[in-house]
Amino acid sequence: IAGITQAPTSQILAAGRRMTLRCTQDMRHNAMYWYRQDLGLGLRLIHYSNTAGTTGKGEVPDGYSVSRANTDDFPLTLASAVPSQTSVYFCASSELDNTEAFFGQGTRLTVV
Amino acid sequence: GQNIDQPTEMTATEGAIVQINCTYQTSGFNGLFWYQQHAGEAPTFLSYNVLDGLEEKGRFSSFLSRSKGYSYLLLKELQMKDSASYLCAVMDSNYQLIWGAGTKLIIKP
Repeated sequence: IAGITQAPTSQILAAGRRMTLRCTQDMRHNAMYWYRQDLGLGLRLIHYSNTAGTTGKGEVPDGYSVSRANTDDFPLTLASAVPSQTSVYFCASSELDNTEAFFGQGTRLTVV
Repeated sequence: GQNIDQPTEMTATEGAIVQINCTYQTSGFNGLFWYQQHAGEAPTFLSYNVLDGLEEKGRFSSFLSRSKGYSYLLLKELQMKDSASYLCAVMDSNYQLIWGAGTKLIIKP
């Protein structure tokens, strides 16, 4: 089944630890995105990639890094997790003209 | 700054009609999206408007007025499964989506 897959589904992480959230899509979309969603706030863009080999910073990039070695994978890394990074993280993909975006099922991350 | 405003919560009755409003102020405009998000799930695409007017898709319709910076999502013949959050998002001049906080719609029997 075509779509976008995130792993893990949920995670409890000790502050200061490094963590990589995985995202894989099989729709051959050029553009991929990482968002965080917090209660009472809209989805906020962390990082994006318009094509393999390129990445860009979104609205809230501090404390996060991404890579885009190929079309399908777009991992998000927290180098040293802090409690304020507790959130639900969504990966999404779309055609480069950025019409309909398809979302993964989300990763619920708790930093303690 | 860029801003998307929509009501936090609305309540409606099964079988009725509800209109969810969205106003926006963004750096440029390349279209407005509505997404549905059930609790604990991912957002799913509902509609896209780039020209003024009404787009109808089954029980759901979306309206856009670019001059007023305004859109609404109209849901007809409400069903219990329509209980969800509805997210308004605008694509700005950099082709990035700016998201509203979402409207939680509660459907009562």
